[in-house]
Parts: sequence; structure tokens; C-alpha cells
Amino acid sequence: DTEVTQTPKHLVMGMTNKKSLKCEQHMGHRAMYWYKQKAKKPPELMFVYSYEKLSINESVPSRFSPECPNSSLLNLHLHALQPEDSALYLCASSQVVRAQPQHFGDGTRLSIL
Amino acid sequence: KQEVTQIPAALSVPEGENLVLNCSFTDSAIYNLQWFRQDPGKGLTSLLLIQSSQREQTSGRLNASLDKSSGRSTLYIAASQPGDSATYLCAVIKNSNSGYALNFGKGTSLLVTP
Repeated sequence: DTEVTQTPKHLVMGMTNKKSLKCEQHMGHRAMYWYKQKAKKPPELMFVYSYEKLSINESVPSRFSPECPNSSLLNLHLHALQPEDSALYLCASSQVVRAQPQHFGDGTRLSIL
Repeated sequence: KQEVTQIPAALSVPEGENLVLNCSFTDSAIYNLQWFRQDPGKGLTSLLLIQSSQREQTSGRLNASLDKSSGRSTLYIAASQPGDSATYLCAVIKNSNSGYALNFGKGTSLLVTP
């Protein structure tokens, strides 16, 4: 079983919907990450949080809005997404940034209609 | 920009064979290198992590080596089993203050047939 839990596992939403992806870890890690993975492609970094503060935003469109309410939780709020945003969204954590290994969740499979 | 290349892209072997997966990277100034396994539709499972000062790591039937100077890493899987079938990804992290991101290769899709 993965130590990083992501919910929901699958999400289908229309382009006008607002939804949120959730990620939770209880390993005491202080760095958390969102990655996007398209089919048959490697994961691409979206955001990095370090000690609950946003450290890195890899030029992600504003229709993706991350939030880190506490050291165990990481959310990704979605609004007005496009069909090309359909992908597997992976959350990961590590003790601190650059401390490896990064532990990944099983991801949320997102489909935009 | 760091480029990470994995060869081969796909590999099919009969059960019991020893095999080697290759990973190369263009910038030798890395902090560490990590090998992952990904099953279809699933997240990534960390297999081995090699710090930049190390040359190899072993876990069970897996052995990963790192040659920073030549920009290469190999993942050796001994006595392969059908359960080893998955995509194997290697990722490096840059040795810089902004090097937070794992740079992934495109992976090697491995099929071990009974």
C-alpha cells in the first residue's frame, strides 16, 4: 500500500465544473509535489510545496490552483479545465525538498469532457 | 536543460533471464538518481536511489549503478519474473538550489513472459 493517498482515484468533469484533487501523507514529510502525466509520457512537475509554502510553480495555467492547508495535506483545485488537461495527476512527498526518495501516490485519473 | 534518455524503449524477455535497463543524462551535475517502477494506471514505486557520491545500490534482485562522469546509470534485474512486467523510469535531480524537480526519462516498458 502506498504511503501517499490520493482521492478520488478517477474523476470525470465538464469544462465548466469546479473540483478538487486531494493528497495526504502521514510520514512527516515537509515537501509535497504535484505532477501531471499524459499517456505514455513521463511525469512533469507542476508545483512544489516546502513547509506549506509554494516554492515552485512550473508555469502552470491558473485554472490549476494548489493549496497546502497543513503539512499532511495537499489539494489541487480545478476550474474551467480543457480537454487537453485530461491526464493522471500524481502527488508525491519527500522529507524536505531535494531529499530523496520521493514517495508517490497512485494518482487521480482525470478526464475532461 | 537536463535530458534523460532510456534505452530500450521496450523489452520483452522470457522468465528467468537477467536483464539490463539503461539510462543516460546530459548534465553530470546531478544531486542523485532514482529508479522507479510504474504499473499501468498506477503511481510510481521507488526502487532504488543513488546519491551522486555513490556508485551503486542493491535491493533484492535489483542492482543500480551510477557513473556520473559518463552520465550513465544501469538497472540490473536478476532472474526476471512475470511480476517484474512494468514500465521502469529513471529520474535525476539537478545539483542546484532550484533543482527540486525530478527529470524523468520516457521509461522502458518491460514484459517478462512465463
